[in-house]
Amino acid sequence: GESVGLHLPTLSVQEGDNSIINCAYSNSASDYFIWYKQESGKGPQFIIDIRSNMDKRQGQRVTVLLNKTVKHLSLQIAATQPGDSAVYFCAGLLGGGADGLTFGKGTHLIIQP
Amino acid sequence: DGGITQSPKYLFRKEGQNVTLSCEQNLNHDAMYWYRQDPGQGLRLIYYSQIVNDFQKGDIAEGYSVSREKKESFPLTVTSAQKNPTAFYLCASEPSGANVLTFGAGSRLTVL
Repeated sequence: GESVGLHLPTLSVQEGDNSIINCAYSNSASDYFIWYKQESGKGPQFIIDIRSNMDKRQGQRVTVLLNKTVKHLSLQIAATQPGDSAVYFCAGLLGGGADGLTFGKGTHLIIQP
Repeated sequence: DGGITQSPKYLFRKEGQNVTLSCEQNLNHDAMYWYRQDPGQGLRLIYYSQIVNDFQKGDIAEGYSVSREKKESFPLTVTSAQKNPTAFYLCASEPSGANVLTFGAGSRLTVL
């Protein structure tokens, strides 16, 4: 069946370095992806989205890259700050999106001073 | 300010009791969702509603029930039939067809 999954459950980076969080999906019919950030004890918050007719989209300190050939997307965070510490989820509109978004399991980004 | 309000934030219940989690939104969104979140499991869809007085089962609906009598409200009842109810529950909403969910702050249910 369709799925969206993250490569690593935990990612540890030094403050100031760039972070790259990766995600893979299994359905070629997907046409829309979102990255969410969830801080401890809170609900997920929208970070950035990308449609399948795009390869790259940039926001403030964040960039999402979509490689449809290998069904892979990544979230890049520039100059990681302590406030970036959170769990990051990728979510995709798979299989026509009849049931809404399909979420990956999340990567916990840990910022080391 | 517009948003989604979930209550209570923390809830404890004894085995065999039903509990109802509240979700209210003032965003005028048509669709509302309930997700369950367990460590290492990501978000799993329990129920969703695209319109008032209509709702559909998600991937893990067994042991749960919902109602959608008003556009603003989508309460979730965790029944005694749910064998492992301890979890973090998230409510979300979106404008019809938008596919960008706005989440509440969550409710953490612990069964003693």
